[in-house]
Amino acid sequence: DIQMTQSPSTLSASVGDRVTITCRASQSISSWLAWYQQKPGKAPKLLIYKASSLESGVPSRFSGSGSGTEFTLTISSLQPDDFATYYCQQYNSSGTFGQGTKVEIK
Amino acid sequence: QVQLVQSGAEVKKPGASVKVSCKASGYTFTSYGISWVRQAPGQGLEWMGWISAYNGNTNYAQKLQGRVTMTTDTSTSTAYMELRSLRSDDTAVYYCARVSSSGCGYWGQGTLVTVSS
Repeated sequence: DIQMTQSPSTLSASVGDRVTITCRASQSISSWLAWYQQKPGKAPKLLIYKASSLESGVPSRFSGSGSGTEFTLTISSLQPDDFATYYCQQYNSSGTFGQGTKVEIK
Repeated sequence: QVQLVQSGAEVKKPGASVKVSCKASGYTFTSYGISWVRQAPGQGLEWMGWISAYNGNTNYAQKLQGRVTMTTDTSTSTAYMELRSLRSDDTAVYYCARVSSSGCGYWGQGTLVTVSS
């Protein structure tokens, strides 16, 4: 099975900060990677698919990059609504999730 | 609009089985797959498996092989996930999600399954 390792597990940041979350796959997944945002008590929300494609309706401050085994999610200027937990998911083979990154208010 | 509506919360005893439904609307059911994802209290997301609504092909997470079965009923556009031999660590919110090459863009509201004696 492909393992996904996300870092950091927790991130403290302020409104307006640039935030980067990293996800590493245990083997190449080409660009078959998605990023999700989840708030407490809610279903995950798709932000990015195919590593760098922005889901319709998602603000352009969110961006994704990478291919193969190394991927990043960047929030260019953190907004109050962005404090949440973020997950990467590979969907090259099965659908493994990373362990999540909680973005907290600094 | 695309909607996935899941069945209600369940309380089960250890060793029992649970079957969660996920009724789809607003799109052609057989054109997409359905994934099942669960989340234990305070924990991360765990992918359980996937079923093609087109031909019923499945792919289950290795750790659940032998305990989980995913099916679809194309006549009612409904997907089902059955988990057997329930244990306390199966207590979680179970989600269905519509799958495409663009990831899981639509999710059900979640179904809480509590396993307790």
